[in-house]
Amino acid sequence: QKEVEQNSGPLSVPEGAIASLNCTYSDRGSQSFFWYRQYSGKSPELIMFIYSNGDKEDGRFTAQLNKASQYVSLLIRDSQPSDSATYLCAPVGGNEKLTFGTGTRLTIIP
Amino acid sequence: DTEVTQTPKHLVMGMTNKKSLKCEQHMGHRAMYWYKQKAKKPPELMFVYSYEKLSINESVPSRFSPECPNSSLLNLHLHALQPEDSALYLCASSPSLAQGYEQYFGPGTRLTVT
Repeated sequence: QKEVEQNSGPLSVPEGAIASLNCTYSDRGSQSFFWYRQYSGKSPELIMFIYSNGDKEDGRFTAQLNKASQYVSLLIRDSQPSDSATYLCAPVGGNEKLTFGTGTRLTIIP
Repeated sequence: DTEVTQTPKHLVMGMTNKKSLKCEQHMGHRAMYWYKQKAKKPPELMFVYSYEKLSINESVPSRFSPECPNSSLLNLHLHALQPEDSALYLCASSPSLAQGYEQYFGPGTRLTVT
């Protein structure tokens, strides 16, 4: 089992719709969870982080965490073409290392 | 200033060359990281420095040699690299090594080994 699993996609979503990105992790020691966005040829950019079970909202982005199920997700509302990128889920493990998932490639269709 | 800078942006080197990658941050962060990223793959951790001391070495070959001269600077010295070492090398920093602190990435150095 991979440490961090994401659906690699590509995930195609119409402009204005909700994009839902999912991530499962194996390290029960993980307490902090980060979502990074990476445009092609660019470096990862932090967009959300969450520490507590439940939802956390920031603008059009909502992160959801369920530690019992070892599941974290990212919802993007009112998707825009500029949201087209690869989204990397990154839990911080009990060893304090950030472990990136393989990423989900999201394409917003105008 | 929330910027991590890296130089050079691009580097082409032969297998017998010696070169260095440089990373700098002025956010007062005390943890700095080197990652390697191949195309269509996630970043892979190479080294972590915490308070200028090497904290984590992910079993990286000795042809990669990190150095942290001070709290703002991080170098990666390269020697006798192989073509398979061609990748995007990313530097990142965070306030601390502890959980809960987000990492900020530099733009990366795209390395090609010929």
